[in-house]
Amino acid sequence: NAGVTQTPKFQVLKTGQSMTLQCAQDMNHEYMSWYRQDPGMGLRLIHYSVGAGITDQGEVPNGYNVSRSTTEDFPLRLLSAAPSQTSVYFCASRLQGDQPQHFGDGTRLSIL
Amino acid sequence: GENVEQHPSTLSVQEGDSAVIKCTYSDSASNYFPWYKQELGKRPQLIIDIRSNVGEKKDQRIAVTLNKTAKHFSLHITETQPEDSAVYFCAASASARQLTFGSGTQLTVLP
Repeated sequence: NAGVTQTPKFQVLKTGQSMTLQCAQDMNHEYMSWYRQDPGMGLRLIHYSVGAGITDQGEVPNGYNVSRSTTEDFPLRLLSAAPSQTSVYFCASRLQGDQPQHFGDGTRLSIL
Repeated sequence: GENVEQHPSTLSVQEGDSAVIKCTYSDSASNYFPWYKQELGKRPQLIIDIRSNVGEKKDQRIAVTLNKTAKHFSLHITETQPEDSAVYFCAASASARQLTFGSGTQLTVLP
């Protein structure tokens, strides 16, 4: 049982490039979320999903897309990277809304 | 949507003293309140949680209290140790909605 697995752990991009951050969980959790955490800041919700085929926007969705074709996977796509998207990205999952949420180890992303 | 406010933003205590972190929430439908600890460079980890049908919960040196009427909940750490130094986040969630986090408290335990 690996929990929540994020890849890559580190990435450097140039402005305008696109990429996909991968997130997978093996706990059969319905709820999955993506957060970004800027230095000295809290966790801001980007997008979330309450089940396969269902996604919704969080607090800071602009510049990001998500899809949820399977229960296990919830990739986050940066459409055209900007320096303001330099951050640490955390994926998280939980069984249901009032159950403990588990985080992945994060992806540290730098946009030059 | 839900708004969670957390205070203080920084807290320094002497080793062995108690630490208290407070949060307020806005959505009366919220019924799940977890607390996370995040060490530098690591992922947030759940340390304790409470649901709306309970007023207090303890786990060794950590306790959480919930006042639904006033819409606030607090984390209490007793007999603090240097390894308690970290950033602590509170959060609130209504059952079918996203988990909203507070802005975090940097706790420093001084030896």
